[in-house]
Amino acid sequence: GQNIDQPTEMTATEGAIVQINCTYQTSGFNGLFWYQQHAGEAPTFLSYNVLDGLEEKGRFSSFLSRSKGYSYLLLKELQMKDSASYLCAVRDITGGSYIPTFGRGTSLIVHP
Amino acid sequence: GAVVSQHPSWVICKSGTSVKIECRSLDFQATTMFWYRQFPKQSLMLMATSNEGSKATYEQGVEKDKFLINHASLTLSTLTVTSAHPEDSSFYICSARPSRGAHTDTQYFGPGTRLTVL
Repeated sequence: GQNIDQPTEMTATEGAIVQINCTYQTSGFNGLFWYQQHAGEAPTFLSYNVLDGLEEKGRFSSFLSRSKGYSYLLLKELQMKDSASYLCAVRDITGGSYIPTFGRGTSLIVHP
Repeated sequence: GAVVSQHPSWVICKSGTSVKIECRSLDFQATTMFWYRQFPKQSLMLMATSNEGSKATYEQGVEKDKFLINHASLTLSTLTVTSAHPEDSSFYICSARPSRGAHTDTQYFGPGTRLTVL
């Protein structure tokens, strides 16, 4: 299985930049996902990385280094509505499963 | 595109009764759907993988006779919590993976169903 580690909570100021890290250990890596989840709601898809490098999508970017078992989600120009939990999910195809395993999530609090 | 709906969004039931939750992919077909459970401030825990036209695959520790899953069409999966108990109270979320197209690697989540068992 995977061992996925993310910080439990982070705080940042509106308008600033924040980086949420995710480390993982897996034998058959086949992709890493980032999801945003507001309290009481289902997760919404943000990004998918399977190759090394940076994927930019508007204010959000996601980076992956497979050799280091490391990813980060970068949020720019933070807005109050970005306050949410950010879930890192890793897919390991060892055993033939294509189902990602979710980390505990990082609760981001954006304050004025 | 890629919208998943769940019904009901919340339900309160008495202990010992059964509750059915529906998960629908509205604008795409999904051979595979997933059922998760999430307790407060916890991560998503996969309960089972629902496969259209065949039996669901349950994760270790999940009772298949208690959590009945039916995936009768490419756009609908149902989860029935039988003989519900207060410890079954949780947030149940389904997700669906498109069968075709450019996003077959991505799971799209429904809005979730809040189950409270009294």
